[in-house]
Amino acid sequence: DVKVTQSSRYLVKRTGEKVFLECVQDMDHENMFWYRQDPGLGLRLIYFSYDVKMKEKGDIPEGYSVSREKKERFSLILESASTNQTSMYLCASSLSQIPSNYGYTFGSGTRLTVV
Amino acid sequence: AQSVSQHNHHVILSEAASLELGCNYSYGGTVNLFWYVQYPGQHLQLLLKYFSGDPLVKGIKGFEAEFIKSKFSFNLRKPSVQWSDTAEYFCAVRAGNMLTFGGGTRLMVKP
Repeated sequence: DVKVTQSSRYLVKRTGEKVFLECVQDMDHENMFWYRQDPGLGLRLIYFSYDVKMKEKGDIPEGYSVSREKKERFSLILESASTNQTSMYLCASSLSQIPSNYGYTFGSGTRLTVV
Repeated sequence: AQSVSQHNHHVILSEAASLELGCNYSYGGTVNLFWYVQYPGQHLQLLLKYFSGDPLVKGIKGFEAEFIKSKFSFNLRKPSVQWSDTAEYFCAVRAGNMLTFGGGTRLMVKP
């Protein structure tokens, strides 16, 4: 089974700090994604990447950046954390565009609190 | 851009009641449709999916969903819920490389 591992389950950071959220997948998936999950809003796409060093903005990229230096690792960066970025962050990966794709595989999430 | 709407944010049912969760999407092209479930304290898991063929798809744990193309809908159903079905359910639509999620429906099943 594909595993998507997020390095931290819980994080508490101060306003203004630079925050790194790490995600690693072990099945050579080309596509990786960062979502945030908030009550009543579902999952909203922040950024995604379909290849090494490639990145695309999702629906809510403001205040975030990403890095994909290696195929298996996709990092989400909060340049200057703010309290409205307190959320659950989910990483996901998927195979490339083939009909038999089974959707995404999600990591277990990182609950970030910015104080 | 596509959007996904889940009409019920919270649903409370008694055990053995029947369940139907609504999902509508807006996208005119070819889509793949998914339902994900997130049990308390766990990560998102795929419940079922539709790619093509029979519009009535069966998933795990007795869940099924029906794709009605003319209504842009993909509603989730279960004839008789159990307490263990208490979870949050997300409908998702994939077009190209992007998966768009609905806002989620929290289901609570009373024992």
